[in-house]
Amino acid sequence: KQEVTQIPAALSVPEGENLVLNCSFTDSAIYNLQWFRQDPGKGLTSLLLIQSSQREQTSGRLNASLDKSSGRSTLYIAASQPGDSATYLCAVRGNDYKLSFGAGTTVTVRA
Amino acid sequence: NAGVTQTPKFRVLKTGQSMTLLCAQDMNHEYMYWYRQDPGMGLRLIHYSVGEGTTAKGEVPDGYNVSRLKKQNFLLGLESAAPSQTSVYFCASSYYDGETQYFGPGTRLLVL
Repeated sequence: KQEVTQIPAALSVPEGENLVLNCSFTDSAIYNLQWFRQDPGKGLTSLLLIQSSQREQTSGRLNASLDKSSGRSTLYIAASQPGDSATYLCAVRGNDYKLSFGAGTTVTVRA
Repeated sequence: NAGVTQTPKFRVLKTGQSMTLLCAQDMNHEYMYWYRQDPGMGLRLIHYSVGEGTTAKGEVPDGYNVSRLKKQNFLLGLESAAPSQTSVYFCASSYYDGETQYFGPGTRLLVL
């Protein structure tokens, strides 16, 4: 059974600092990996999707890397802003239609 | 496009009552999913559907039933609600398997 872990559970940084969010997974036989953002009381918004054959994906200030062999993905957010405050979830897609989610990292960016 | 919508947004039930949660999507997606989210845990898949008229069990299906009579709708039923089913329920859809899933805003359910 795929286990997805996100450490730390919470993170607080001053505005302008770069954010580094970690995700680890136990089974390297994955189809793809997605990073989501969740605002309080809201649904999930997809940020980046990395296919198993890719090493990284970029969108604006966001960059996500994937190292399947070590079971790790990292989400980098450059020059953080208060609007980046949210919970960030990592989800791994196995070969069985199913996404396995981490519990998330809650980020607070202080103005 | 409304995307994925969920009805109701919030509901309080007494133990033993039944209810149906409705999910609708207007993106012509084939795949639809129901998840539950509990504090300190990741989302867990309850049931999913790979097309109209199909359903399949996910990770935590017990106590729930689903139906996909129309492509755009995916219903989640609780036959006899229990306090352990207090949670936030999310519906999601995707065009094909393995593609980006789009999520609804969630339904908060409290079972007393």
